[in-house]
Formats: sequence, C-alpha cells, structure tokens
Amino acid sequence: AQSVAQPEDQVNVAEGNPLTVKCTYSVSGNPYLFWYVQYPNRGLQFLLKYITGDNLVKGSYGFEAEFNKSQTSFHLKKPSALVSDSALYFCAVRGTGGFKTIFGAGTRLFVKA
Amino acid sequence: DADVTQTPRNRITKTGKRIMLECSQTKGHDRMYWYRQDPGLGLRLIYYSFDVKDINKGEISDGYSVSRQAQAKFSLSLESAIPNQTALYFCATSDTGFVYGYTFGSGTRLTVV
Repeated sequence: AQSVAQPEDQVNVAEGNPLTVKCTYSVSGNPYLFWYVQYPNRGLQFLLKYITGDNLVKGSYGFEAEFNKSQTSFHLKKPSALVSDSALYFCAVRGTGGFKTIFGAGTRLFVKA
Repeated sequence: DADVTQTPRNRITKTGKRIMLECSQTKGHDRMYWYRQDPGLGLRLIYYSFDVKDINKGEISDGYSVSRQAQAKFSLSLESAIPNQTALYFCATSDTGFVYGYTFGSGTRLTVV
C-alpha cells in the first residue's frame, strides 16, 4: 500500500537560513512524487514534482527537492527562507501505473523575520 | 477567473440536511477529484472521475455522492449531513496521465452543527 510520512508537524526557521521539510514514502514500483503548498484560505498549489531523471528537481518560488531512492525520501529544500514562505506544505506520492495520489499530513513552515 | 472554482466558499448546515458542493473548471481536464482535508490527516480522496461517464469511490466515500454533469462540472453531495463531516473540501483536476500534478480549487469550508 502507498503511504507518505511527513515526520514534522512544524518547522521553524529564521529568515535567510536554509530550510528543509522532510518527506518519506512507500510505494510499489517507481514513485511519482509531488510537493504542494497551501497558504491560508487558499487551495493547494503545485510546487514541483519528480518523475524520473535528475534526483534534484527545481520548482516554483526557489524551492527544490531531492529524491533519494535508497532512503525513500523526497525532502523539500530552499537555500534562503523568506517570511512569505510560511505556509502548510504537503508531500504526495503516486505509484507507477497507479492513479491515486496519497498526501502526507502536512508540515507547517514558520519563517521568523 | 480561477481555473477551478468551488461554491460555496463557506457553509454552515444542520445535521440531517442535504447539501451540495459544486466545482467547475476551465482547465479542459478530463480528470476531477474531491478531497477532504482534516487537521493532522492531510487530504483524503472521497470520489474521482476520469471522464463524464466514469465515477469511482475513493477511500472515504461513505455518506457522500457525486455527479459529473459535464467535463467541466463535478458536484459533491452530502445526503444527510452529520457533524463529523465538518471539514475543508477541495475539488481538484488533472490532465490525463500519471505524471501530472493537480490543480486545486480554493476549497469549501463546511460546518455541520
């Protein structure tokens, strides 16, 4: 069965510091991996995805994510956090040949000025 | 105009009442989904539709029904609302194929009292 774990309910960083939001997954076959961001009173917005190829994928707003097959992880990163990055972040996985996307419980990122 | 529009944005209803949440999209996507978001649980799939004649149950379909009136319209109904259906509901669309992410609506916050 597919599953996604986001081990941290909240991540706190200071503005200008690098940030990491963690995600691990379990899926049959090769995974399709996604990150979404949710700002208050808004729907989820697509940030980036890993389908195949380079393990480091770049997305919107300066975010990137690193796929690590041996650790079954897909951590979201940004070199320098902004206060405006404060939001709820969701990791999601879809198995090859499958159609259901499973979402993690979400990690709230708080960036302090 | 938003690519995926949900109405209403907020609704308070009484236990036992029937309520319909509506979703329309201008993306031209065949695939549409209804998700429910609860704090700490992430998003859970209620129903999904891959085209107008295709309706499928998700992981938490009990107590819900859907109607795909056209390619662009996908409605979710609660036949007899109960308090534990209080949640944030999202409609999403995706292009055909497994490599695409979702486009989400802004959500409907439903409170059942």
